[in-house]
Amino acid sequence: QAVVTQEPSLTVSPGGTVTLTCGASTGAVTSGHHTYWFQQKPGQAPRTLIYDTSNKNYWTPARFSGSLLGGKAALTLSGAQPEDEAEYYCLLSYNGVRLVFGGGTKLTVL
Amino acid sequence: EVQLVESGGDLVQPGGSLRLSCAASGFSFSTYAMSWVRQAPGKGLEWVSAITGSGGSIYYADSVKGRFTISRDNSKNTLYLEMSSLRVEDTAIYYCVKDLAGAGAGDYWGQGTLVTVSS
Repeated sequence: QAVVTQEPSLTVSPGGTVTLTCGASTGAVTSGHHTYWFQQKPGQAPRTLIYDTSNKNYWTPARFSGSLLGGKAALTLSGAQPEDEAEYYCLLSYNGVRLVFGGGTKLTVL
Repeated sequence: EVQLVESGGDLVQPGGSLRLSCAASGFSFSTYAMSWVRQAPGKGLEWVSAITGSGGSIYYADSVKGRFTISRDNSKNTLYLEMSSLRVEDTAIYYCVKDLAGAGAGDYWGQGTLVTVSS
């Protein structure tokens, strides 16, 4: 069973830049994993920010971007806003039939 | 407007059964794969199951395989999750998600329905 790893917590200053990563116990994360990134605020359902590694939904703020970086998937937030404080989850697809979430990163904007 | 509305969550005893529903509207339901994702209280997200648009292919997480059954009725635009042999660790909010598979957009989530397994 694959294990997907994220930083438990990160802090970014308002206006600053932070990169969240998503690694796989099975090896390098590739475009074949079709990485998703979700944002979840307390008491709310998750919201999909990024799909298929780097594609955005129309509601995804331009300051968020997805990529592959050093064998991991990455979510970069450039110009952090107070409203970006949330839990962020990545999701990897294995052979299109098994989906595995990371444990989540609690992002603090401070 | 795309809407996903889950229902059926309840308090059930260990070993019991429950059926969740997800009513979809605002898009061509039969065109998209659908998934169930759950979240235990205070914990992270866990993918549970997925079904293709036609219902021809179905996938489960190992944690629910043999106990849960996903299905869909495209004539009613509704997704289902039949849960049996429920365990305390199945306690969670269950979300249905549109197009969460492969390279799909995974773009819409329901508000979730709470399943509590307790004696």
